[in-house]
Amino acid sequence: GAGVSQTPSNKVTEKGKYVELRCDPISGHTALYWYRQSLGQGPEFLIYFQGTGAADDSGLPNDRFFAVRPEGSVSTLKIQRTERGDSAVYLCASSPPSGGPNEQFFGPGTRLTVL
Amino acid sequence: QQPVQSPQAVILREGEDAVINCSSSKALYSVHWYRQKHGEAPVFLMILLKGGEQKGHEKISASFNEKKQQSSLYLTASQLSYSGTYFCGTHRNSGNTPLVFGKGTRLSVIA
Repeated sequence: GAGVSQTPSNKVTEKGKYVELRCDPISGHTALYWYRQSLGQGPEFLIYFQGTGAADDSGLPNDRFFAVRPEGSVSTLKIQRTERGDSAVYLCASSPPSGGPNEQFFGPGTRLTVL
Repeated sequence: QQPVQSPQAVILREGEDAVINCSSSKALYSVHWYRQKHGEAPVFLMILLKGGEQKGHEKISASFNEKKQQSSLYLTASQLSYSGTYFCGTHRNSGNTPLVFGKGTRLSVIA
C-alpha cells in the first residue's frame, strides 16, 4: 500500500513569505506527527495530532507556525513570515491506532529553503 | 531530555560488528531505533518496551536496560547496505506520542 506522502518535495521561498506543507498519512492511521530536521541533527518534534485535534503542539517554535488536520487525515503545516532559520527538512510521520508506542512511518520530507 | 548517542560516527569494513548506544537521564518507557540514508526518510528498525517486549525486524538485535535508561543496537556481520545514520528515539510514557530523538550515529560500511 501507499506510504506517507509529502508535498512539495522541495520549496524555495523568500524571507517573509507564507508557505504551506502538506502531509498525506497512511490510510487508517489516527496519529500524525510533524518533525523538523536540520542538517546533522535528529528529527525534532513540532506537533502531534490524534484524529482531528492537536494533542500536543508544544514543539512549535513560535506563533508563526500552525498546523491543521480538519478531517483527521491530511494535515497541513503552515508557516507565516518565514525566516532563514526556518530552513530545514520538515518530516511527517503517522502511526496506526494503538494502546501503546507504535512504529512511526515517515514520509520523504519537504526540504524548505528560505532565502 | 534529548537522549545521548555514542559513538557519533563509526567506520566499519564489511563483515565487522558495531554497537551503537543510546542513553537518557530520564526514566524511559520505550526506545525506538531508526536508520536514515542520506536524503531519505527515517526507516523503522525496532521498538524496545519497558518490561522486555520488542517489536521489529528479526535480523536486528538490540537491548534495553530500564534501570540505566540505556539501549544498545547491535549490528553484526555488517553489509554495505547498513550504511546510514542511526537514530534512537525515546518515549517517557506508554502513549503513542511523539519521540525525542538523539543526534544520531553515522555508520559507514566500506568494502
